[in-house]
Amino acid sequence: AQSVTQLGSHVSVSEGALVLLRCNYSSSVPPYLFWYVQYPNQGLQLLLKYTTGATLVKGINGFEAEFKKSETSFHLTKPSAHMSDAAEYFCAVTREGNTPLVFGKGTRLSVIA
Amino acid sequence: DTGVSQDPRHKITKRGQNVTFRCDPISEHNRLYWYRQTLGQGPEFLTYFQNEAQLEKSRLLSDRFSAERPKGSFSTLEIQRTEQGDSAMYLCASSSAGSSGANVLTFGAGSRLTVL
Repeated sequence: AQSVTQLGSHVSVSEGALVLLRCNYSSSVPPYLFWYVQYPNQGLQLLLKYTTGATLVKGINGFEAEFKKSETSFHLTKPSAHMSDAAEYFCAVTREGNTPLVFGKGTRLSVIA
Repeated sequence: DTGVSQDPRHKITKRGQNVTFRCDPISEHNRLYWYRQTLGQGPEFLTYFQNEAQLEKSRLLSDRFSAERPKGSFSTLEIQRTEQGDSAMYLCASSSAGSSGANVLTFGAGSRLTVL
């Protein structure tokens, strides 16, 4: 079975500071990994995904994530936080064959002015 | 393309009542998923369809829950004899199966259920 663990249910950063949201996965087969963002009263929106190929993937709104097989990690980063980045972020895993996504519990990002 | 639509957005009901949620996926998407999200948790998979066929159901989907997608377009999720533990956000998502690469889900805004 596949799973993801998001370290830290709440992360708080200052505006302009580095954002780092942690995600570790467990999978017996090569994973496909995703980050989604959820703003209040809105649906989940895809930030970025990793399937195969380049291990550093860039997404929307200046976010990027790096797949590290040796560390079973897929951490999400952004060099400089904006107030508009405040939201809930979810890491998710699936595999080839398009089985349903398995989500982590989420990390709430707060950005302090 | 208007995205994934869910109706109603909010539903308050009394314990023991039946409720039904509707999801209209993106028109060209042939896969449709239902997830449940409770406070402080990530979305939990309930079931999914490819066209009108229900391909997988989670153990979370008790016999009080039933989902249909009769014509391979919209879907309904019905909960019978609701319990307070059913209070949650019910999320619908759709995707296009058969395309190369990962199965990217597009989510609706969700239907929030409160059982009193």
